[in-house]
Amino acid sequence: IAGITQAPTSQILAAGRRMTLRCTQDMRHNAMYWYRQDLGLGLRLIHYSNTAGTTGKGEVPDGYSVSRANTDDFPLTLASAVPSQTSVYFCASRDSSRNSPLHFGNGTRLTVT
Amino acid sequence: AQTVTQSQPEMSVQEAETVTLSCTYDTSESDYYLFWYKQPPSRQMILVIRQEAYKQQNATENRFSVNFQKAAKSFSLKISDSQLGDAAMYFCAYRSAAWGGANSKLTFGKGITLSVRP
Repeated sequence: IAGITQAPTSQILAAGRRMTLRCTQDMRHNAMYWYRQDLGLGLRLIHYSNTAGTTGKGEVPDGYSVSRANTDDFPLTLASAVPSQTSVYFCASRDSSRNSPLHFGNGTRLTVT
Repeated sequence: AQTVTQSQPEMSVQEAETVTLSCTYDTSESDYYLFWYKQPPSRQMILVIRQEAYKQQNATENRFSVNFQKAAKSFSLKISDSQLGDAAMYFCAYRSAAWGGANSKLTFGKGITLSVRP
């Protein structure tokens, strides 16, 4: 089934540890995104990539890094996790056509203790 | 920068009745898209409806319709004949029609939790 796969589904992580959230899409979409969802704040953009080999910062990039080595994969890395990074993380993608909607993965619930 | 405002954090509707969820946005662009996404307890993000700013006609998808007022920068969602399965969080979102840089991203409102009373 075509779509976006995120892993892990959930994770409990000790503060100070490094963690990579994985995201893979099989729709050959140009653009990919990482959002975090927090109650009362909606979804906020962390990083984005409009095409393989390029990335950009969103609203809340501090403490996160991304890479886009190929079209399909867009991992998000927390170099040294802090409790404020406890959140639900969504990966999303879309193609470059004008009216293309955003397609979402099922999210990763991350708890930093 | 574009902003999206959903001022009502919660709403409730009786099953089979109609409910309207409000959304306003701010932009200096004339060409853009607006979306409503539904997030049930499963956490999945589901596209409900989309509207192109250049289209005068309000979008409709089965029981879901929008009231798009471009001059007022208002984009409300009407759910008719509400069903128990409509209970979810609903997000309004904005996207520029331009491509490049951060233009391709969606900007979301904070969401509204809709409950449906049987």
